[in-house]
Amino acid sequence: GAVVSQHPSRVICKSGTSVKIECRSLDFQATTMFWYRQFPKQSLMLMATSNEGSKATYEQGVEKDKFLINHASLTLSTLTVTSAHPEDSSFYICSASGDSSNYEQYFGPGTRLTVT
Amino acid sequence: QKEVEQDPGPLSVPEGAIVSLNCTYSNSAFQYFMWYRQYSRKGPELLMYTYSSGNKEDGRFTAQVDKSSKYISLFIRDSQPSDSATYLCAMSPAGGGNKLTFGTGTQLKVEL
Repeated sequence: GAVVSQHPSRVICKSGTSVKIECRSLDFQATTMFWYRQFPKQSLMLMATSNEGSKATYEQGVEKDKFLINHASLTLSTLTVTSAHPEDSSFYICSASGDSSNYEQYFGPGTRLTVT
Repeated sequence: QKEVEQDPGPLSVPEGAIVSLNCTYSNSAFQYFMWYRQYSRKGPELLMYTYSSGNKEDGRFTAQVDKSSKYISLFIRDSQPSDSATYLCAMSPAGGGNKLTFGTGTQLKVEL
């Protein structure tokens, strides 16, 4: 199956700093990438959808100035959590999809963010 | 009411049992249905993908979709301890731009 990687897998940062998370599709071109966050024992909450070369579409309640998403190429999307606070601590997961007619999404392994 | 309802469990079964996992949904526009398996602290892994109503089988896994009842199921035969994970259903309408709506996930534990 398609492989999606995320880096870093775990990150600890101080309150007020920014953290960048990378999501890469390793063996296919991802026209669409999605960013989710997941709290313990809860389902995935979609934060935003990004298409290569376009601005990301954010879900209601997600601050676009706080969660900056860049999808500069067909294999790379980044999520930057700006001015992180302890309540931003969560598991962030990206997924990638090959084309709009294919509803299969392939997920990365996730990034555990802890803000102290 | 959530668009997709899934019993969070936990569900505990003995090794070798047949496991039935289910989701109900309210949006009749959903056409694509998926099941993901997620191990602790890992990203979800796509298990089964079906379009519209019907059954699909892959090894020990069978996915069923009943659109008339807005009900989908995942059956696991001969369950193994390695099947212990959280199982998430997900679905999307046609033309939904690949956007998925997830259930909350059912935690499954297969015991020796």
